[in-house]
Amino acid sequence: GAGVSQSPSNKVTEKGKDVELRCDPISGHTALYWYRQRLGQGLEFLIYFQGNSAPDKSGLPSDRFSAERTGESVSTLTIQRTQQEDSAVYLCAITNGTSGLHEQFFGPGTRLTVL
Amino acid sequence: AQSVTQLGSHVSVSEGALVLLRCNYSSSVPPYLFWYVQYPNQGLQLLLKYTSAATLVKGINGFEAEFKKSETSFHLTKPSAHMSDAAEYFCAVRGAGGTSYGKLTFGQGTILTVHP
Repeated sequence: GAGVSQSPSNKVTEKGKDVELRCDPISGHTALYWYRQRLGQGLEFLIYFQGNSAPDKSGLPSDRFSAERTGESVSTLTIQRTQQEDSAVYLCAITNGTSGLHEQFFGPGTRLTVL
Repeated sequence: AQSVTQLGSHVSVSEGALVLLRCNYSSSVPPYLFWYVQYPNQGLQLLLKYTSAATLVKGINGFEAEFKKSETSFHLTKPSAHMSDAAEYFCAVRGAGGTSYGKLTFGQGTILTVHP
């Protein structure tokens, strides 16, 4: 997607391990979002950051999930004690000054597989 | 609260035929509506958006969608399908205000297959 990279592109882990997923957005973005896409399902909102406001965490499915954003740049999504149900593609998206909140630009995603 | 329903998880058309992908929404506030496309092994790309201007919205690659408030629908159409249109399509809604501001709610997706 325009101005968003994610790493790793694929992650395979064992049940119970912690994982950290990274989103590198273009500088100057106005908001950053995390979504989850489970197989055969639509995208589920997880969390979003905008400016210095407290993040909206209302979509996080459990307290095993957390996310941080460093300044107005890199964001990391951490899943502790992974479960098989966490297997999904995790997508990061941003809005920028031009689009306002009308268009979200998505990264390529991280495919997480929990064995 | 907001939600999106896409009717038909799979749609198959012949090349040159009309494409119609259905989307119905519910929203407690005036909605902004979006169609995204996801090609195999690629990220989501915005096709078009409705943000309370013209109800008939034209997007990229010849797609268009019409916002019909009375029917709470935002169906995606293309007059003539091309093989390159084969992809998964997602309809999404975002509230223009309230607690849902900024968050997209997606439908389940519709996989479009185009036959030669």
